[in-house]
Amino acid sequence: DTAVSQTPKYLVTQMGNDKSIKCEQNLGHDTMYWYKQDSKKFLKIMFSYNNKELIINETVPNRFSPKSPDKAHLNLHINSLELGDSAVYFCASSQEGATTEAFFGQGTRLTVV
Amino acid sequence: DQQVKQNSPSLSVQEGRISILNCDYTNSMFDYFLWYKKYPAEGPTFLISISSIKDKNEDGRFTVFLNKSAKHLSLHIVPSQPGDSAVYFCAARFGNQFYFGTGTSLTVIP
Repeated sequence: DTAVSQTPKYLVTQMGNDKSIKCEQNLGHDTMYWYKQDSKKFLKIMFSYNNKELIINETVPNRFSPKSPDKAHLNLHINSLELGDSAVYFCASSQEGATTEAFFGQGTRLTVV
Repeated sequence: DQQVKQNSPSLSVQEGRISILNCDYTNSMFDYFLWYKKYPAEGPTFLISISSIKDKNEDGRFTVFLNKSAKHLSLHIVPSQPGDSAVYFCAARFGNQFYFGTGTSLTVIP
């Protein structure tokens, strides 16, 4: 039973398009995250979100926006895609105060052509 | 601004020997330090963690050491096995935020 699942696993799209990546967790966690792993393999936090606050990494362009329809989902919307957005995007979740670690999805490889 | 750094992008070790992966950090407010293991085309999976109030945590073949004065932690794997070949990420937690290093690719040679 997958704890954190993302769809799609692979996404190829043209520059200028708008796309979404979905993420769901069945762990009952209260905080979800989006990370970007670029060509240099650096895992960089983009957003963290719980029912109290959204924390945005200030370096993330405003073309990226997280949308949380409920506690178990945090989707990533990307507008006007650019070549430089090509990367692997990971969703993760954790429970404040209860666990020390974050649990990750399998990643979505986004390729912008 | 990279608060967690892994300066060795790769490491090769013979099977049965010890693997030592290193990590440095800058923020003294981190309360937990974690190691994740990542295989290709998969997400990172949690391996072991250590609280900032401890200096050692052991779990089977894996031991993490923390030197707070040096802002340095290391992961020891002994004995190393071919199945340990993966990318290892060091991470540090502050509140609900996790900060990751760039990873070290470990290859265990049979």
